[in-house]
Order: sequence, then C-alpha cells, then structure tokens
Amino acid sequence: KQEVTQIPAALSVPEGENLVLNCSFTDSAIYNLQWFRQDPGKGLTSLLLIQSSQREQTSGRLNASLDKSSGRSTLYIAASQPGDSATYLCALGVGNTPLVFGKGTRLSVIA
Amino acid sequence: NAGVMQNPRHLVRRRGQEARLRCSPMKGHSHVYWYRQLPEEGLKFMVYLQKENIIDESGMPKERFSAEFPKEGPSILRIQQVVRGDSAAYFCASSLRQGEAFFGQGTRLTVV
Repeated sequence: KQEVTQIPAALSVPEGENLVLNCSFTDSAIYNLQWFRQDPGKGLTSLLLIQSSQREQTSGRLNASLDKSSGRSTLYIAASQPGDSATYLCALGVGNTPLVFGKGTRLSVIA
Repeated sequence: NAGVMQNPRHLVRRRGQEARLRCSPMKGHSHVYWYRQLPEEGLKFMVYLQKENIIDESGMPKERFSAEFPKEGPSILRIQQVVRGDSAAYFCASSLRQGEAFFGQGTRLTVV
C-alpha cells in the first residue's frame, strides 16, 4: 500500500528565504507526482505535475524534483513571499488508482 | 473552460438529515473522484467514478454513503442520516486521463 509522508508538518520562514519541502513515498511504481497548494478554507490548486519519466518541473519560483529510486520528491520555493503562505500537498498517481495524498506542510512566510 | 464546480460551498445539516453534494467536472473529463478532508488531516480518497460506473469505492463507508455519476448531469455524493463525524470538507476532482487531477473548491459540511 502506497504511503506518502511530508516533512516538516509545519514551517515558518522569514520573507525572502529559499526553502525546501519534502515528500517521501514507499512504492516507486508511480505514474506521476503532483504538488498542490491549499489556502485555508479553499480548494486545491495544482502547482506542478511531474511524470514518472521526468526528473523535475519548474514554474516561476517553484521547482519540483522527483527521484523514484529513493522514493522522494522536493518542492523548492525561491525568494519566499508572504503570499506563499499556505498548505502544500504532495500527491501520487499510481496506475489506475486515484491520487494518494500526504498530510501536507503548512508554510508561513513572515514579512 | 470552467473548472470543476462544486455546490453548495457550505452545507449545514442536522443529525439524521440527508446531505447531497454535487460536482460538475471540467468539460470533456470523464473521470470523477471524491475525497474527504478532516481538520488537520490530508485528503482521503472515497470513490472513483466514470460516466454511469463506479470504478473504485474502496474508500467509501459501507453504510449511509453513496455516489453516482449519471450520463447527464453532475456527480452526486449522498450521505444519508448524517452524524457529527461526517462534518468535513468534501472535494471533487476530475481528470481527462489517469493521474492529472483538477480539484473543485470543495463543499464544507457541518452537522449540528
């Protein structure tokens, strides 16, 4: 059974700092990996999608990497801003089964 | 192309009543997923449907919960005889093909 772990559970950083969020999974037989952002009381916004054949994806200040052999993905956020404060969720697509989510990392960027 | 639409956004029900949550997938998407999110928890899969078929309902409680995705109209998640423990955010996602999913804003159910 696929299990997804996100560390840390919560993170507080000063504005401008670069930061890394971690996601680990137990079964490397994945279809893709997706990073989402969730604001309090809101839905999920897809940030980056990495197919299993890819190593990384970039969008603006965000960079996500995937290392299937070690069962890890990282989300790198450059020059963090208060508007980046949210919960970041990692989710795995595994074959024909629905996405499996981690519990998320709650990020606070302090001005 | 509108995103995944869920309604209502907020729903309050008394214990014992029925709750109906609706989800209209993105245009052209035939895969619909329902997830439940409890406070301070991640999203837990409930059910996966394609048009007129339930593909995987392994995450759905055996009693009181049902889901459908008819040929015409939105997908419906139905909770009968709601209890306080059903209070949660319910999210719907749709996809064109396996893996990449787009989420709605969710329905926040409060049972009083």
